[in-house]
Amino acid sequence: GESVGLHLPTLSVQEGDNSIINCAYSNSASDYFIWYKQESGKGPQFIIDIRSNMDKRQGQRVTVLLNKTVKHLSLQIAATQPGDSAVYFCAEVDAGNMLTFGGGTRLMVKP
Amino acid sequence: IAGITQAPTSQILAAGRRMTLRCTQDMRHNAMYWYRQDLGLGLRLIHYSNTAGTTGKGEVPDGYSVSRANTDDFPLTLASAVPSQTSVYFCASSPDRTDTQYFGPGTRLTVL
Repeated sequence: GESVGLHLPTLSVQEGDNSIINCAYSNSASDYFIWYKQESGKGPQFIIDIRSNMDKRQGQRVTVLLNKTVKHLSLQIAATQPGDSAVYFCAEVDAGNMLTFGGGTRLMVKP
Repeated sequence: IAGITQAPTSQILAAGRRMTLRCTQDMRHNAMYWYRQDLGLGLRLIHYSNTAGTTGKGEVPDGYSVSRANTDDFPLTLASAVPSQTSVYFCASSPDRTDTQYFGPGTRLTVL
């Protein structure tokens, strides 16, 4: 069936560097994508979303890029901080608002 | 109450016992959801409710039931728990079915 997946299970970056977390999706009919951050022992926290009619959206220190041609989604975090350490999930939303989550990427920030 | 709350925070349960996980939101969101999160499998939808009085099945509904008697509460019941239901359970809500979902803190359930 359709699925959403991530390229890298673990990403380790130096504090202050930029981070890029990638996600591949296979359902070309999805028109909405979300990035969630999950810290240890907590529920997923909404970071940023993007509609399929956009290719870029920026938030505070985060940018999401969508490449529909290759079905690829990325989350860029500028000036990564220790508080950014968490597991990041991309989620694909279908027409019925059903989320399909990827397996997650763990971001580790080294001081 | 602010946002979504879940209870209990964690629970150890004997197989065969009945258990209800509670979820309450005070944001007047119409839609609510239950997910389970297992290592290596991500989050999977169990049941959902688009509005009070209606419910639907998600990806992994077997062994679980839900009810939505009012807008704020969306309890998840395991009628007869089995060890494979050991997981972390997250409740979520969204203003309407097409809006972004917001998650509660989770319930860690262990079935022995």
